[in-house]
Amino acid sequence: SQQGEEDPQALSIQEGENATMNCSYKTSINNLQWYRQNSGRGLVHLILIRSNEREKHSGRLRVTLDTSKKSSSLLITASRAADTASYFCATDASGAQKLVFGQGTRLTINP
Amino acid sequence: DVKVTQSSRYLVKRTGEKVFLECVQDMDHENMFWYRQDPGLGLRLIYFSYDVKMKEKGDIPEGYSVSREKKERFSLILESASTNQTSMYLCASSFFGQGLFFGSGTQLSVL
Repeated sequence: SQQGEEDPQALSIQEGENATMNCSYKTSINNLQWYRQNSGRGLVHLILIRSNEREKHSGRLRVTLDTSKKSSSLLITASRAADTASYFCATDASGAQKLVFGQGTRLTINP
Repeated sequence: DVKVTQSSRYLVKRTGEKVFLECVQDMDHENMFWYRQDPGLGLRLIYFSYDVKMKEKGDIPEGYSVSREKKERFSLILESASTNQTSMYLCASSFFGQGLFFGSGTQLSVL
């Protein structure tokens, strides 16, 4: 069952610019998580935001959650070439950690 | 440094073979998961486990089984491999309420 859907599917920006990716989901959630995947490798957990939280920061990452709109956004500030990767949102409806992943946004940072 | 280790990075098997994919974590995590990742379909949950000798079906368990005899090890078994099981297989582990730690993945080709 597809829950999270990322937008855009692909994003290409210049190094130093900010990158914003969006995620929409369909049902109520316990928490929402963002992951990064470099080509052909495993996923790396970035941030977990709970349903009662509106915003979270981690270094150059900022995640917002709007449960009324069933949407979340991931902002990467001052992008670097090393940020080139696919970014996935994943929703946990019950807290049981049965995550449902979106299709991902492919981010390319051009030097 | 936390680690989830998958036994093989690449694997080639024949149709009808029994295939074992092994996953070991060194973080004393309660929860372990098996996902498969396919282009256009994203990550889909196959099986998961909250404790030793415990297993739960995910979204696509057909054609797979799992074994968790020890807390740190979670094995995925393809009883009779088929070509539609060619995929990237990702193992993950976690504590409740936290993000998932993923292994590097096993790219399985069934010929």
